[in-house]
Amino acid sequence: DVKVTQSSRYLVKRTGEKVFLECVQDMDHENMFWYRQDPGLGLRLIYFSYDVKMKEKGDIPEGYSVSREKKERFSLILESASTNQTSMYLCAVTGGGNQPQHFGDGTRLSIL
Amino acid sequence: AQTVTQSQPEMSVQEAETVTLSCTYDTSESDYYLFWYKQPPSRQMILVIRQEAYKQQNATENRFSVNFQKAAKSFSLKISDSQLGDAAMYFCAYRSYYLSGGGADGLTFGKGTHLIIQP
Repeated sequence: DVKVTQSSRYLVKRTGEKVFLECVQDMDHENMFWYRQDPGLGLRLIYFSYDVKMKEKGDIPEGYSVSREKKERFSLILESASTNQTSMYLCAVTGGGNQPQHFGDGTRLSIL
Repeated sequence: AQTVTQSQPEMSVQEAETVTLSCTYDTSESDYYLFWYKQPPSRQMILVIRQEAYKQQNATENRFSVNFQKAAKSFSLKISDSQLGDAAMYFCAYRSYYLSGGGADGLTFGKGTHLIIQP
C-alpha cells in the first residue's frame, strides 16, 4: 500500500506568516496533489505535480504555491497566510492510469 | 468542466439494513473514471470502489456495489448489511480518462454525504 505522510495533523499560524505544508510518499509515484476540504464544499484541487519541478494549477490556486524538488516530496506554500485559508488540507498520490489516488491523513490548518 | 452532485447531505440507516447514496455528474467526455471514497472521523480518505466508464458491468466490492447509469450520468453507491464502521462521510469523485498536464489530473469531488448508522 502507498504510504502518504503529511508533516502535521494540526497547525496554528498567524495572519501574514509564510506557511509550509509537507507531503511525502514512499512509492516513487509521479503524480502528487494538494486538495483543500471545507464543510459543505467537498474537496477542491489546489495544485498538482506530475514530475519533479513540474506543477499545474488546479481549481483554486490563488494564494498558494507549490514546490517539488524531489520526487517523493510535494510542498504546499501559503506565501502570506490569511484567515480564509483556515481549512483541512489533504495530499494525494497516484501512479496514474486507472490507479486511484491515495490520501494522507490531512492537516487541519488554523490561521489566526 | 466536470461537476459532481451529491444531493443528500445526510443519510441515516439502521444497522444491518441497506442504504443507497446518490451521485450524478455532468461531463461531455465519453471515457472517464468514477470513484467512491469514504472519510471516517479519523479523516483519512479511503477508496471504497471505482468504475471505469467503458465497462458496462457494475463494480462490486464485498458489501459495496454501484449502479452505474452512463446515459443518465448517475453513479449511486449501495451499502448492504450496514455496519457501525460504515459511518462516515462518503464522497463521489470523477476523473477524466485522457490526462492533461503531462500525465496527471485531479479528481472532481461532490460535496459529500454524511452517513449515520443507527444501532
